[in-house]
Amino acid sequence: DIQMTQSPSSLSASVGDRVTITCRASQSISSYLNWYQQKPGKAPKLLIYAASSLQSGVPSRFSGSGSGTDFTLTISSLQPEDFATYYCQQSYSTPHYTFGPGTKVDIK
Amino acid sequence: EVQLVESGGGLVQPGGSLRLSCAASGFTFSSYWMSWVRQAPGKGLEWVANIKQDGSEKYYVDSVKGRFTISRDNAKNSLYLQMNSLRAEDTAVYYCARDCETPTIYLDVWGKGTTVTVSS
Repeated sequence: DIQMTQSPSSLSASVGDRVTITCRASQSISSYLNWYQQKPGKAPKLLIYAASSLQSGVPSRFSGSGSGTDFTLTISSLQPEDFATYYCQQSYSTPHYTFGPGTKVDIK
Repeated sequence: EVQLVESGGGLVQPGGSLRLSCAASGFTFSSYWMSWVRQAPGKGLEWVANIKQDGSEKYYVDSVKGRFTISRDNAKNSLYLQMNSLRAEDTAVYYCARDCETPTIYLDVWGKGTTVTVSS
């Protein structure tokens, strides 16, 4: 089974900060990596698919990069509405999917 | 508007059963794989099961194999999850989600979720 890890597990940042979250797969997953944002009490929302493609309607301050085993999600200038938990997910082993443990971004 | 609406959650005793439903609207339901994803209280996301467009292929996470059954009714634009032999560790919010397959595979539409609590 493909295992996903994320770092850090949580971070504190200020509005306007550049934030980077890392996701690592236990084996190569090519570009089959997606990123989701989840706010408390809400459903997850797709941000990035295929490692670097921005989902329609998602602000351009979000970007993704990487391939193989190492991936990053970057928020170029953190906004108040971006405080949330972020999950990576691999779909390389389709139809079985695996999510990372999540990274909580809160206010410094 | 593309929408998924789950229902059927509730409180059930250990060993009991529950059937979740997910009503889809705003898109051609029969053209998509569909998934169930759950989230235990204070925990992360866990993919549970998915089903092919025509229902001919179904896949499950190991922890629910033999206890949960995913199904769909394309005529009713509905997805289901039959949950038997429920355990305390099945307590979670259950989301249905649409699998999008172009160019890679991702879950692009999610419902708001329905809560399942397994407790005596």
